[in-house]
Amino acid sequence: DTAVSQTPKYLVTQMGNDKSIKCEQNLGHDTMYWYKQDSKKFLKIMFSYNNKELIINETVPNRFSPKSPDKAHLNLHINSLELGDSAVYFCASSQRTVSNEKLFFGSGTQLSVL
Amino acid sequence: DAKTTQPTSMDCAEGRAANLPCNHSTISGNEYVYWYRQIHSQGPQYIIHGLKNNETNEMASLIITEDRKSSTLILPHATLRDTAVYYCIVPKRSGGYQKVTFGTGTKLQVIP
Repeated sequence: DTAVSQTPKYLVTQMGNDKSIKCEQNLGHDTMYWYKQDSKKFLKIMFSYNNKELIINETVPNRFSPKSPDKAHLNLHINSLELGDSAVYFCASSQRTVSNEKLFFGSGTQLSVL
Repeated sequence: DAKTTQPTSMDCAEGRAANLPCNHSTISGNEYVYWYRQIHSQGPQYIIHGLKNNETNEMASLIITEDRKSSTLILPHATLRDTAVYYCIVPKRSGGYQKVTFGTGTKLQVIP
């Protein structure tokens, strides 16, 4: 079983559309994240949720709205897509501890905005 | 975050040990050093982490200097599948939560 799974793997859409990316983890972790990797391969944190509560919210346009229906799921909804939103989006999860908080990543969703 | 500095790229011959250095001179006494890698087109993968003692697991060894200002990740017998970008990270903790920020990492090329 895949520990952190994202769908879809590829997403091609037109500017102005609204789209969602889904993420699920079966590791029993309490914290989930969204990262964005742009064309220059820079991996940047966007959001983090702990037990459905938003704990990290970087300077991301409010067109991006994460939603966590339960601690095993963290979805990302993007409104009014722009060309600059084209990137690979990675979901990750971890179990909150002081000394051993490893991140487990999904395989990514490649978003192309035309 | 405690800033980390890594070489941009390194080459290693297949079968030899790959030693990847990282400087983290501003690390605090209770902050851990984590290493992740990203193989082309895949999600980042956790490798190893440590506080002040050297650590070893099935993937790699981590050597941390006594003053904790630098560390070295060692892949004892590099294979072609170890070609990847390797990230040395010192997560920031705030309010009991960690924030893992990726830098530019070291691009390791394992050469046949």
